[in-house]
Amino acid sequence: DVKVTQSSRYLVKRTGEKVFLECVQDMDHENMFWYRQDPGLGLRLIYFSYDVKMKEKGDIPEGYSVSREKKERFSLILESASTNQTSMYLCASIQGSSYEQYFGPGTRLTVT
Amino acid sequence: GNSVTQMEGPVTLSEEAFLTINCTYTATGYPSLFWYVQYPGEGLQLLLKATKADDKGSNKGFEATYRKETTSFHLEKGSVQVSDSAVYFCALSGTGANSKLTFGKGITLSVRP
Repeated sequence: DVKVTQSSRYLVKRTGEKVFLECVQDMDHENMFWYRQDPGLGLRLIYFSYDVKMKEKGDIPEGYSVSREKKERFSLILESASTNQTSMYLCASIQGSSYEQYFGPGTRLTVT
Repeated sequence: GNSVTQMEGPVTLSEEAFLTINCTYTATGYPSLFWYVQYPGEGLQLLLKATKADDKGSNKGFEATYRKETTSFHLEKGSVQVSDSAVYFCALSGTGANSKLTFGKGITLSVRP
């Protein structure tokens, strides 16, 4: 079974802190994605990556950056957390020739 | 650009009731269409998919047919169970198997015994 894991299920940070959210997949997938999920807005794509050291902006990249130094790991970085970044963050990965994205369990981030 | 519109929720049904969740889309080309489900406390998982017009996706008693003429992909189930209580997302991906997904806003389904 494909497994996508995220470093934390729940996280509480203060405004202005630098926050790292880690995602690891164990199936050698090329493509990885970071979404945020908010009530009434569904899932919105923040960043994605098609290969190591490659990244592309999604629909809402402002306030975020990413890092992909190894194929299995995709990190989302909040350089200076703000309260409007309180949300559920979901990581996903997909094999290049497949249609199905596999999701991690999510990290619920609260910024106070 | 691509977009997905789902009916407003939440939806509450009694066990064994018939379920329809509407989904329409706007896209260029020939997108693939998906329904994802999110059970409480979990990430999303693929429920079913259809990759070309008139395809019917099915899984766990759920069905959806890719209707290009009406740009729709409505989710149906003949008899819902309490265990079907979850959030359901309609999504599409552009041309190419690894294209990024565009999601609808999701709808919460609650099934009471």
